[in-house]
Amino acid sequence: DAGVIQSPRHEVTEMGQEVTLRCKPISGHNSLFWYRQTMMRGLELLIYFNNNVPIDDSGMPEDRFSAKMPNASFSTLKIQPSEPRDSAVYFCASSSGIMNTEAFFGQGTRLTVV
Amino acid sequence: SQKIEQNSEALNIQEGKTATLTCNYTNYSPAYLQWYRQDPGRGPVFLLLIRENEKEKRKERLKVTFDTTLKQSLFHITASQPADSATYLCALDMRTGNQFYFGTGTSLTVIP
Repeated sequence: DAGVIQSPRHEVTEMGQEVTLRCKPISGHNSLFWYRQTMMRGLELLIYFNNNVPIDDSGMPEDRFSAKMPNASFSTLKIQPSEPRDSAVYFCASSSGIMNTEAFFGQGTRLTVV
Repeated sequence: SQKIEQNSEALNIQEGKTATLTCNYTNYSPAYLQWYRQDPGRGPVFLLLIRENEKEKRKERLKVTFDTTLKQSLFHITASQPADSATYLCALDMRTGNQFYFGTGTSLTVIP
């Protein structure tokens, strides 16, 4: 398996624009996580899906952020409208969904909002 | 609110020595704790998992301890090598599902 695949790797956008980040989890994994990493706040959990259903979205910063998982092999994280403070590295991770197992992370998307 | 703290300062050690990293948590009781390694520009990579009923876990040159009374985990790298230089993150579950939360991370540099 190619691992967790995220796209794009880098995104530069202007404030106010819509941004969509994409993730393909490892085949057979049924838990998917979106994290955001910044120097100030470290690695924060934004949302967690199990079997394509959002289970915990308490980490989503505000209504400008939304995430979907239309099927087991694809998820998106959307920011609309984007703001400079959204600049960060966004990671997608997946796991088998069994308790006590590790997560596999993608390479991340570095988002810069100017 | 829950807090997960790791060594706030970067850690520099001499090659061949043992590196010891700390993960402290407050206000909750995880069922298990994981350690990850992160290199610049990459996503975290899983290293070890330890459950609440386990005191210690080993894997090659790595050793993790978990003290639920002290609410602390220690991560040791013995016979450290420059290739061990990276940021190390601990992660704890919340007992409410498969999601887990990361500590602040500790940057380790092993000096040749």
